[in-house]
Amino acid sequence: NAGVTQTPKFQVLKTGQSMTLQCAQDMNHNSMYWYRQDPGMGLRLIYYSASEGTTDKGEVPNGYNVSRLNKREFSLRLESAAPSQTSVYFCASVNTGARGTQYFGPGTRLLVL
Amino acid sequence: GQQVMQIPQYQHVQEGEDFTTYCNSSTTLSNIQWYKQRPGGHPVFLIQLVKSGEVKKQKRLTFQFGEAKKNSSLHITATQTTDVGTYFCAGPDVGNAGGTSYGKLTFGQGTILTVHP
Repeated sequence: NAGVTQTPKFQVLKTGQSMTLQCAQDMNHNSMYWYRQDPGMGLRLIYYSASEGTTDKGEVPNGYNVSRLNKREFSLRLESAAPSQTSVYFCASVNTGARGTQYFGPGTRLLVL
Repeated sequence: GQQVMQIPQYQHVQEGEDFTTYCNSSTTLSNIQWYKQRPGGHPVFLIQLVKSGEVKKQKRLTFQFGEAKKNSSLHITATQTTDVGTYFCAGPDVGNAGGTSYGKLTFGQGTILTVHP
């Protein structure tokens, strides 16, 4: 039981490059979330998926797209990376049966040059 | 929209001193959750409070939920270097579909705790 896994752990991109951050959970949770964390900004919600087949925008969705591939996997795509997207990205899986307790993955540290 | 504010943003203490962080919501919450993030790590769930006026303890950590269910606090007695990290509070959003929350949370900005040995 690995919980929430994220790949890659680290990534350096050049401005304009694209990449996909992968997230998978093995806890059979319905809801999954993508956050970014910047110094002094806390956790900001990018996109979320309340259930398989649905996705919704969060607080800061611009420049990102998501795909809920199946119940286990929720990916985040940067189509054309910008330096402002340098951040740490966390995926979370939610146990809605326990009043929404969130389980976070280890994060992806992204640097856009 | 719903806002969750935390103070202070930073707290530096000497090992052995006490520490408190406060969380205030702009709306009444059905529950409040606390998470801890170690430096370089990811947020980890600590506890959830549900009842008005509820107090829960985990060893040296004491969590309180306000009577009006709009504020909460986390108090650490006699801090240790292992307490270093960022402490977040979070309250659930309520979606539009019949009040289902989908587990969506609004996080406070967090309090960064530094403990000097």
